[in-house]
Amino acid sequence: DAGVIQSPRHEVTEMGQEVTLRCKPISGHNSLFWYRQTMMRGLELLIYFNNNVPIDDSGMPEDRFSAKMPNASFSTLKIQPSEPRDSAVYFCASSSPDRLKLFFGSGTQLSVL
Amino acid sequence: SQQGEEDPQALSIQEGENATMNCSYKTSINNLQWYRQNSGRGLVHLILIRSNEREKHSGRLRVTLDTSKKSSSLLITASRAADTASYFCVPTQGGSEKLVFGKGTKLTVNP
Repeated sequence: DAGVIQSPRHEVTEMGQEVTLRCKPISGHNSLFWYRQTMMRGLELLIYFNNNVPIDDSGMPEDRFSAKMPNASFSTLKIQPSEPRDSAVYFCASSSPDRLKLFFGSGTQLSVL
Repeated sequence: SQQGEEDPQALSIQEGENATMNCSYKTSINNLQWYRQNSGRGLVHLILIRSNEREKHSGRLRVTLDTSKKSSSLLITASRAADTASYFCVPTQGGSEKLVFGKGTKLTVNP
């Protein structure tokens, strides 16, 4: 298995632009998590899905952030408009229903100038 | 859901020494997981210990769990420079809960 696949690996954009981050979970996993990591705030859970349905989005910082999971093999995290304080590494992770193991992607390093 | 609190925040040792990291949590759990994050990489699952287990081994890793004290420890024996990473614990109930991470312990192993 290829593991959790995230794209792009790096994204540099200007303030005000729309940013879309993509994630392909491991086949057969029914839970997907989006995290954001910064030096100041550590690893924050933004939103998670079970069976493609958003369960808890209380970690989404603002309405500028949105996430979708149109099917079991694809999810997006969109920021519109982006701001410099959104600069961080964004991780996607997936797991089987028992939550006994999370598999992380390599992350997207986002820089908003 | 709950997050674990790792201690110490940072630990620096020499290659070959043992490294011990601790984790505390607040409410009862079904299992506890440990993850490692090398710089610039995604987290990697290391080991899971269930609430009815007291100790578990995996290679050079030894994890203990004391549910009465709501604490766990991760011991890395004969450390190597490649063990330099941040380590996180995640206490879980199981099921469909969200999984949250604390600040971790940053381990530096000096060659």
